[in-house]
Amino acid sequence: GQQLNQSPQSMFIQEGEDVSMNCTSSSIFNTWLWYKQDPGEGPVLLIALYKAGELTSNGRLTAQFGITRKDSFLNISASIPSDVGIYFCAGPFGSSNTGKLIFGQGTTLQVKP
Amino acid sequence: DVKVTQSSRYLVKRTGEKVFLECVQDMDHENMFWYRQDPGLGLRLIYFSYDVKMKEKGDIPEGYSVSREKKERFSLILESASTNQTSMYLCASSFRFQDYRTAYEQYFGPGTRLTVT
Repeated sequence: GQQLNQSPQSMFIQEGEDVSMNCTSSSIFNTWLWYKQDPGEGPVLLIALYKAGELTSNGRLTAQFGITRKDSFLNISASIPSDVGIYFCAGPFGSSNTGKLIFGQGTTLQVKP
Repeated sequence: DVKVTQSSRYLVKRTGEKVFLECVQDMDHENMFWYRQDPGLGLRLIYFSYDVKMKEKGDIPEGYSVSREKKERFSLILESASTNQTSMYLCASSFRFQDYRTAYEQYFGPGTRLTVT
């Protein structure tokens, strides 16, 4: 079945450092999404990507849709304490446009002030 | 702003009890979803509804049922709660037909942390 592998599983970094995480799929996607979940809250959509090779920024966050359509990357520049949380990648589940998503296992980010 | 609300943030129930989790969205979304979140496993889809009274099983429907009598409301029912259903439950919603892209942009509620003792 479909699988999304997200890495790393966790990161502990110093404030001000840049962060990189990625997600790989066992199948080709036409959409990649990145969500962030603050502690005790539901996930919030950060960035959506719809085209292979697309590079999209949202403030200090930049995400890329891999050329192979089987991977995506999220970078956070100059991390701050409020970047703490779990970051999830997600892509369409199955072949039909039902709106169902498959999620990666998440990358837990901790930032030391 | 899209708003998805869930009836409780924290819930403690006993084994064997029938449990109802309610979710309401105010954006006229066709799609609604119930997920379960456990550490290291990401979000797993329990049930999905694409219209009133319509539902589809997700990856882990066993032990759960759902009800969607009104477009804005989607309920998750644990028929007989068990300790292995202790988890964080997340509701989400999205548009269905307007644009295939927006159908994938799901908006989540704050979650209900359920403990079954």
